[in-house]
Amino acid sequence: DQQVKQNSPSLSVQEGRISILNCDYTNSMFDYFLWYKKYPAEGPTFLISISSIKDKNEDGRFTVFLNKSAKHLSLHIVPSQPGDSAVYFCAATPGGRGTYKYIFGTGTRLKVLA
Amino acid sequence: KAGVTQTPRYLIKTRGQQVTLSCSPISGHRSVSWYQQTPGQGLQFLFEYFSETQRNKGNFPGRFSGRQFSNSRSEMNVSTLELGDSALYLCASSVDGDTEAFFGQGTRLTVV
Repeated sequence: DQQVKQNSPSLSVQEGRISILNCDYTNSMFDYFLWYKKYPAEGPTFLISISSIKDKNEDGRFTVFLNKSAKHLSLHIVPSQPGDSAVYFCAATPGGRGTYKYIFGTGTRLKVLA
Repeated sequence: KAGVTQTPRYLIKTRGQQVTLSCSPISGHRSVSWYQQTPGQGLQFLFEYFSETQRNKGNFPGRFSGRQFSNSRSEMNVSTLELGDSALYLCASSVDGDTEAFFGQGTRLTVV
């Protein structure tokens, strides 16, 4: 049972445009959500997170939106850069920020075209 | 500050053997968690240790085990290896409750 789903395995975006990566979850106990980026032959790198008490969190070019009623979150990257090309994983966890049992989606491969 | 260090980076083992993977967390981090990444299943949580105690466990068979030492370094062990255990094994460390998890580069295990 996939509790965290990323339904788009891949996404291509032109440099300078917006990239929108989507993630759906089924478990209403999840209360903390994260996005990680992964380059080949490297471990995942933390990007941005959001608590369930918020609906938006921004960090530079990255913004995460959370819609609890729809059990949906999205990551917006504006403007997209070629260096953003990587696999993006969303993750969720119950028990708040200090709970390290992350449930990951299967990832979306983003390709930013120059 | 050094990152999370996993050794070895690559490993080839035969079915039926056992294997031990090592993880050294970032200095000061006391929580260590382990994940298995495969093409079909993505990143799956194995277990988490804090202060030498297993705090959370994923849905893996008992062949998968781990431990944490007093210096926070952690090892995971897989016994009676199966072909399906071929995967990238990732370790992550955290300052408990204060930060997100930081991942190492992983150990690529191939079972032949």
